[in-house]
Amino acid sequence: DQQVKQNSPSLSVQEGRISILNCDYTNSMFDYFLWYKKYPAEGPTFLISISSIKDKNEDGRFTVFLNKSAKHLSLHIVPSQPGDSAVYFCAAPNGSQGNLIFGKGTKLSVKP
Amino acid sequence: NAGVTQTPKFRVLKTGQSMTLLCAQDMNHEYMYWYRQDPGMGLRLIHYSVGEGTTAKGEVPDGYNVSRLKKQNFLLGLESAAPSQTSVYFCASSYSGLNLAYEQYFGPGTRLTVT
Repeated sequence: DQQVKQNSPSLSVQEGRISILNCDYTNSMFDYFLWYKKYPAEGPTFLISISSIKDKNEDGRFTVFLNKSAKHLSLHIVPSQPGDSAVYFCAAPNGSQGNLIFGKGTKLSVKP
Repeated sequence: NAGVTQTPKFRVLKTGQSMTLLCAQDMNHEYMYWYRQDPGMGLRLIHYSVGEGTTAKGEVPDGYNVSRLKKQNFLLGLESAAPSQTSVYFCASSYSGLNLAYEQYFGPGTRLTVT
């Protein structure tokens, strides 16, 4: 059973608009969440994270929102740029030793 | 500073052949990981290591073995390759410690095809 779910395989957005990528989780013990970004033929790179003691974390154009009661988090990119076109993975730690459980990813396309 | 490097970048194997994938990191990280990525499946953890000389199983360990003889290297072995092991393999490393371990640094990947 998937513990981290990204139900939208793809998302297309116009340059300059907001991109909203969603992630749901089932394990209420998760207390930390991360977003990774992946370009084709490259490894994923860490983008932003959030602890469950917060409901929002912001880093430049990227903001992650966490709704613990709904077991839902979202990544907002404002304004979206063509260079943001990539696959975005939501992840949560499974234990204290760094094991991450990844969602299946959402492919974001930002059109000029 | 090369970060995390993986060798080879591409490989084609016949069923039953063996091979070793090499991962090296120059960031003095304690933790290292091997993942596989399949279409529509995200990344799944195969094995991981929390320090030199230690290894542990992840979510999908069957058919793979690993070794961490040196802190900077983490080897993934396939003793008898099967078509189901066709995938892209990513190595990652991280610092130890709460929350630090979650920010993992990934290599560029190895694309393996088993025919």
